[in-house]
Amino acid sequence: NAGVTQTPKFRVLKTGQSMTLLCAQDMNHEYMYWYRQDPGMGLRLIHYSVGEGTTAKGEVPDGYNVSRLKKQNFLLGLESAAPSQTSVYFCASTLSGRRNEQYFGPGTRLTVT
Amino acid sequence: QQQVKQSPQSLIVQKGGIPIINCAYENTAFDYFPWYQQFPGKGPALLIAIRPDVSEKKEGRFTISFNKSAKQFSLHIMDSQPGDSATYFCAASGVDSSYKLIFGSGTRLLVRP
Repeated sequence: NAGVTQTPKFRVLKTGQSMTLLCAQDMNHEYMYWYRQDPGMGLRLIHYSVGEGTTAKGEVPDGYNVSRLKKQNFLLGLESAAPSQTSVYFCASTLSGRRNEQYFGPGTRLTVT
Repeated sequence: QQQVKQSPQSLIVQKGGIPIINCAYENTAFDYFPWYQQFPGKGPALLIAIRPDVSEKKEGRFTISFNKSAKQFSLHIMDSQPGDSATYFCAASGVDSSYKLIFGSGTRLLVRP
């Protein structure tokens, strides 16, 4: 049981490049989330999904897109990376949204130059 | 707009001390208040959580105190150990936010031997 895994672990992009971050969970969780973590700002929700085929915007969705084609996977895309998107990205999943523990992946450190 | 305010930003205590981390919230519809612990290079993990119908919850050396009227809650770590050195995040969620977690900005705790 791997829990929540994220690929890649590190990535450096040039401004304007695109990339996709992959999150996978093997716990049969319905809800999945993408957060970004920046110093002094805690974790901010980018997008989330309440089930396969559904996505919704979080607190800071601009510049990002997501897809949830399979229940176990949640993809985060950056179409045209900007230096402001330099951050550590965390994926999380939970059985349902209400009062349930969110299980986090190990994170992806992204640097945009 | 930050809905959960956390303080202090950083905290240093000696082994055996009792660090206290405070959080305040604005939204009276919040009904679930978890604390997450994050070690360097790892994703956050649930430490302890409380609902507003109780004023205190203990799990091992970790205690949450909750003051509903003041809209404040705090984490106390009894007999702190160097292994408790980590970043701690408070969070809140409620039905009006679709149970999404709103995180505080985090507190970096260092417990000196």
